Amino acid sequence: AQSVSQHNHHVILSEAASLELGCNYSYGGTVNLFWYVQYPGQHLQLLLKYFSGDPLVKGIKGFEAEFIKSKFSFNLRKPSVQWSDTAEYFCAVKVGTGRRALTFGSGTRLQVQP
Amino acid sequence: DAGVIQSPRHEVTEMGQEVTLRCKPISGHNSLFWYRQTMMRGLELLIYFNNNVPIDDSGMPEDRFSAKMPNASFSTLKIQPSEPRDSAVYFCASSSDAIQETQYFGPGTRLLVL
Repeated sequence: AQSVSQHNHHVILSEAASLELGCNYSYGGTVNLFWYVQYPGQHLQLLLKYFSGDPLVKGIKGFEAEFIKSKFSFNLRKPSVQWSDTAEYFCAVKVGTGRRALTFGSGTRLQVQP
Repeated sequence: DAGVIQSPRHEVTEMGQEVTLRCKPISGHNSLFWYRQTMMRGLELLIYFNNNVPIDDSGMPEDRFSAKMPNASFSTLKIQPSEPRDSAVYFCASSSDAIQETQYFGPGTRLLVL
């Protein structure tokens, strides 16, 4: 079965610092990749997604992610974080074209200090 | 669009009681997903429906859990009898059959079983 690994469980940054959150998946076939964000007390919102084409994907709020097929990775980046980026970030994978359900990573809690 | 609607938003019940969680997907979406989020297990898929038919219920913990989707605009997740270990946030999500389908999440139901 496919799995998604997020190795950073808790990240603490100061405002204006750069962010990179790791995401690796274990599946050799076609994948669709997602990053969701969950602000405190709120539901999951889509940050960005990759289906095909340009492996560098830009999302909302200045976030971007790069799909590196050879490394089975889809890391999330932001050049300069803000206090309002404090949230939990989830990487998710949808495998192939059949099964529609997402497999989520364990999440990374980001705390941005003012 | 109002997005995915879930009710109730919070539920506190006693062990042994029946709990029913409700979900209204986004109009026009034909796939519906139930996820559970806990500190220990993260986000995990319980069941998903496509065109009102259950496709994958392998994530349903045990027979105490059941889910139905009587029509395209309504689904329920029932726990009977409830146990303290069922305490979690239950999210409903929906998606369409579009090529780049994306799941949109509801606000969740926070369940506490005493």
